[in-house]
Amino acid sequence: GAGVSQTPSNKVTEKGKYVELRCDPISGHTALYWYRQSLGQGPEFLIYFQGTGAADDSGLPNDRFFAVRPEGSVSTLKIQRTERGDSAVYLCASSLGGLTEAFFGQGTRLTVV
Amino acid sequence: KNQVEQSPQSLIILEGKNCTLQCNYTVSPFSNLRWYKQDTGRGPVSLTIMTFSENTKSNGRYTATLDADTKQSSLHITASQLSDSASYICVVIFTTSGTYKYIFGTGTRLKVLA
Repeated sequence: GAGVSQTPSNKVTEKGKYVELRCDPISGHTALYWYRQSLGQGPEFLIYFQGTGAADDSGLPNDRFFAVRPEGSVSTLKIQRTERGDSAVYLCASSLGGLTEAFFGQGTRLTVV
Repeated sequence: KNQVEQSPQSLIILEGKNCTLQCNYTVSPFSNLRWYKQDTGRGPVSLTIMTFSENTKSNGRYTATLDADTKQSSLHITASQLSDSASYICVVIFTTSGTYKYIFGTGTRLKVLA
């Protein structure tokens, strides 16, 4: 696609539920990043994929968070047993890898009620 | 600890005026520094990319400077326009264990008034 696409754009879920957030990177981009941005804050790193593998998942806050990228393209961020503190905008970015420019999607706004 | 701090936290200026946003970082080893513009409800968009050896980089009305010795960067906006109203985020990239990590500042929220 022309840019990084994230779906849904908004998601409201009840505390304790499971959610999946999807990211479609720019075609051909091997690197994919997930970030979480709370209101008034800069994005915080969650996980970085190079191809199909998670090269760095040190930003995932706990084991309720998991992300996959099975075919090296689309990625899904999965959150189990959601908590109100998980409410944030989840941003995805992709790049050609290394220090090449990363392009961001517009994010998924997750609200846990 | 790798950190990126920005100032001011927010800024209001009149259309047509200039402004300068500051970024201080303690990230090491440094690879490069980027300024991003983030409109409300949108993802960040890159404005400038600077490597260790570059002191200044311009992109239209945006000019970024970098002093790698003092670990400071600034973003200067000339002749501001209403559309410049956004958050401006300083991002420092460093390498660790063969991967690149982005450290984001909390941003400066700029409001340009007519």
